[in-house]
Amino acid sequence: EAQVTQNPRYLITVTGKKLTVTCSQNMNHEYMSWYRQDPGLGLRQIYYSMNVEATDKGDVPEGYKVSRKEKRNFPLILESPSPNQTSLYFCASSPSAGGRETQYFGPGTRLLVL
Amino acid sequence: GDSVTQMEGPVTLSEEAFLTINCTYTATGYPSLFWYVQYPGEGLQLLLKATKADDKGSNKGFEATYRKETTSFHLEKGSVQVSDSAVYFCALSPLWAGGTSYGKLTFGQGTILTVHP
Repeated sequence: EAQVTQNPRYLITVTGKKLTVTCSQNMNHEYMSWYRQDPGLGLRQIYYSMNVEATDKGDVPEGYKVSRKEKRNFPLILESPSPNQTSLYFCASSPSAGGRETQYFGPGTRLLVL
Repeated sequence: GDSVTQMEGPVTLSEEAFLTINCTYTATGYPSLFWYVQYPGEGLQLLLKATKADDKGSNKGFEATYRKETTSFHLEKGSVQVSDSAVYFCALSPLWAGGTSYGKLTFGQGTILTVHP
């Protein structure tokens, strides 16, 4: 089954404790990105990757890191989480970065930073 | 920069009622336009899309027409069902290459739809 998977689905952590949210897709997609969803703000892009070893900042990159060492994986790293990073996070992928492409979303990771 | 504005919600309807969720956008050039739907506890999935002016996207009884003159992409359904209860997001993606916007979806704030039997 073609899908985007994220782990964990739920995470409670404390301020400053490094964490990684994994994202993997099995569709051989080139383009991957991370979004955060906050009430009243919709989804905002954090980072994106056009292909392996090619990543760049989105609209809200502060406090986050990413890497793209393999085509299928695109982990999101919070090196020192803060309470304002409490949010619902989605990973997405598409065949390419073309504007007509449909993006496929993972199920989401709900993060609470205390 | 690009932006998407959706009608404020939440929207509550009775089953078989007519649905309209308004969406307008601001963008450089002619973006692709999308409606994504998020069912409770799930990720977003594409509902429909349109990639050029006057295109009509349709799926599962939902429709939306790309109106360049009014920069709008309103979502409609003639008869809603309880199973349509979800959050609906209007979004755009630029067509031009280059710059940090390439491939990025810009979303509206989402509209919560609740349909009662």
